[in-house]
Amino acid sequence: EVKLVESGGGLVQPGRSLKLSCAASGFSFNDYWMGWVRQAPGKGLEWIGEINQDSSTINYTPSLKDKFTISRDNAQNTLYLQMSKLGSEDTAIYYCAKYYGYTFAYWGQGTLVTVSS
Amino acid sequence: ETTVTQSPASLSMAVGEKVSISCKTSTDIDDDMNWYQQKSGEAPKLLISEGNTLRPGVPSRFSSSGYGTDFVFTINNVLLGDEGIYYCQQSDNVPLTFGAGTKLELK
Repeated sequence: EVKLVESGGGLVQPGRSLKLSCAASGFSFNDYWMGWVRQAPGKGLEWIGEINQDSSTINYTPSLKDKFTISRDNAQNTLYLQMSKLGSEDTAIYYCAKYYGYTFAYWGQGTLVTVSS
Repeated sequence: ETTVTQSPASLSMAVGEKVSISCKTSTDIDDDMNWYQQKSGEAPKLLISEGNTLRPGVPSRFSSSGYGTDFVFTINNVLLGDEGIYYCQQSDNVPLTFGAGTKLELK
C-alpha cells in the first residue's frame, strides 16, 4: 500500500524558513517522480514543483522558484521541501504526491503551515 | 503557462441527476487532463487520468471526455457520497496547473 506522510508543519514567523518532509513507503521510491502541492485555507490547489528519480531534474512554479527548494533522499525514502522567506501568503496545507506520468496518483494527508507573528 | 478555466464554481444537484463540469485550457494539451475529487478535510483523490482513463476502483459513474482545449467531466446518477470539490489539472506542460474547482452539493 502506498503511504505518504508529511511532517514538519506548524506555526512559523514571517520571514523565517521551514523544512517539510514526506516519508514514503509501499512502493519503490527511487523509481518515481515526486511533487509538492499546496492549498491555502478555503482555496484551490497550487502545484509547487517536482523532482525526478535521481534529482537531476527539478521544476518549480515560477512564482515560488526563488523561495522553495525540493530535494529527496532515496536511501531514506524521503522527499523534502525547504521553504524560505515565508509570508502570510504561504499559509497552507502542503501535500506531497507520488506521480503517475504527470498525474498526482497518490497524496499524503498534508501538513499545515501557518505563517504568523 | 497553460491556464485552466473551470466551470461552474458550484453545483447543487439531486441524487440521481447527471453532473457535468467543464474545463477549458488556454493551450492545446491533447488529452493530458486529469480529474480529482476532494472531500471535506481530506486530500484530493485522483479519479481520471490522462486519456480519459478511469483509475482502478473508481466507479464507472464517473467519466470524462475532451481533447485539445475543451474537456468535460461527468457523474452519472450522482450519489450523496459524491459531495465534495472537483478539480481538473493539465499535465501537458510545466508548470502543472489546476482549475479553480467545482463544489458539488447534493440537495
